Amino acid sequence: DSGVTQTPKHLITATGQRVTLRCSPRSGDLSVYWYQQSLDQGLQFLIQYYNGEERAKGNILERFSAQQFPDLHSELNLSSLELGDSALYFCASSRSPWLAEPPGEQFFGPGTRLTVL
Amino acid sequence: DAKTTQPNSMESNEEEPVHLPCNHSTISGTDYIHWYRQLPSQGPEYVIHGLTSNVNNRMASLAIAEDRKSSTLILHRATLRDAAVYYCILITQGGSEKLVFGKGTKLTVNP
Repeated sequence: DSGVTQTPKHLITATGQRVTLRCSPRSGDLSVYWYQQSLDQGLQFLIQYYNGEERAKGNILERFSAQQFPDLHSELNLSSLELGDSALYFCASSRSPWLAEPPGEQFFGPGTRLTVL
Repeated sequence: DAKTTQPNSMESNEEEPVHLPCNHSTISGTDYIHWYRQLPSQGPEYVIHGLTSNVNNRMASLAIAEDRKSSTLILHRATLRDAAVYYCILITQGGSEKLVFGKGTKLTVNP
């Protein structure tokens, strides 16, 4: 158990809909990251927040948005869903925003499996 | 981001050592070498990281070549639980500092 929690575990929805994925980081971690894992693209970094502020952006679509709240939990909002958005979405957290410095590691949650029909 | 190259798959027997190689010939002086693994149906899990010197922790050892163009993750005694996809990732200090996952090496451990 990494200490990172994600809800829901599974989500099934239809094209065109909007969903919200929730992540609670490990206690004391200020940095939250979102990743998408699909069969054809592998694990892709989407976005990072540190203490409520957006810090880095990856391959995040404009239809997707995220935020980190004062209690440090984060939500990833996916709208106008398409079949290709079906994937596993992982949240990770770390103590520091700087992965290259000790302690250096990210802790991943169990993921939310999104199926778009 | 600097690239890494890993074999697609490797096989090992239980209780034997496993050496997982990673090539990173374009590594720069400020790149840290991180290893993560992903067990089936789980999120990735941090294994180890280093800069220049070899590193040991309770999970594994990381051996870094003197020219830093390659590294090897060593599992001293493989168990069935070590069957996973192992990712070697470079992170640039002061750079974008995001994890860029390649395809990794799928490790199969035979009983």
